[in-house]
Amino acid sequence: RKEVEQDPGPFNVPEGATVAFNCTYSNSASQSFFWYRQDCRKEPKLLMSVYSSGNEDGRFTAQLNRASQYISLLIRDSKLSDSATYLCVPPGNAGNMLTFGGGTRLMVKP
Amino acid sequence: EAGVAQSPRYKIIEKRQSVAFWCNPISGHATLYWYQQILGQGPKLLIQFQNNGVVDDSQLPKDRFSAERLKGVDSTLKIQPAKLEDSAVYLCASSQGRGNTIYFGEGSWLTVV
Repeated sequence: RKEVEQDPGPFNVPEGATVAFNCTYSNSASQSFFWYRQDCRKEPKLLMSVYSSGNEDGRFTAQLNRASQYISLLIRDSKLSDSATYLCVPPGNAGNMLTFGGGTRLMVKP
Repeated sequence: EAGVAQSPRYKIIEKRQSVAFWCNPISGHATLYWYQQILGQGPKLLIQFQNNGVVDDSQLPKDRFSAERLKGVDSTLKIQPAKLEDSAVYLCASSQGRGNTIYFGEGSWLTVV
């Protein structure tokens, strides 16, 4: 099993839809995890950082399922501006070397 | 607050030539990272520094890549000699400490022809 796996997509959804991405990981000693957003030809930017089992910020909800070893990102009421690639960073090993997933591409259409 | 600064933004070189990238992290950030991102893939960590010491360089191709952070602030990443497969964006990032949020620079785009 790869260390971090994400469905590359693309996920094509209409405006206003709810969409969820999962990210599976193979090893972990910590609980913190992150989701980054990357626009085309730009650098990744932090979307959410979570230091517990989950966090909600407006339309975005991030969850950790430690037993099944995956993290998820839920986006409600999708906007056109949500179109981007979403990169997961699952729980790492004592803060050393945060490993990124390959990214999931989201396209929100009018 | 100033972000992570990188230069050059773009570089085109021929295979077997050398190239160097520079990075100045966010002020006060002890941890500095160099990532390689190939088109369509996620960032892959090349090397992680804590102050001026190397924490992890297990994925750095040491036969051609080298990096240093001599004074624990800015850093350089060098590739010599370059290969076609080194064409990628080289992202520098920093964080306050290990396990904290990582902030990226805009990246240095390398094309090897």
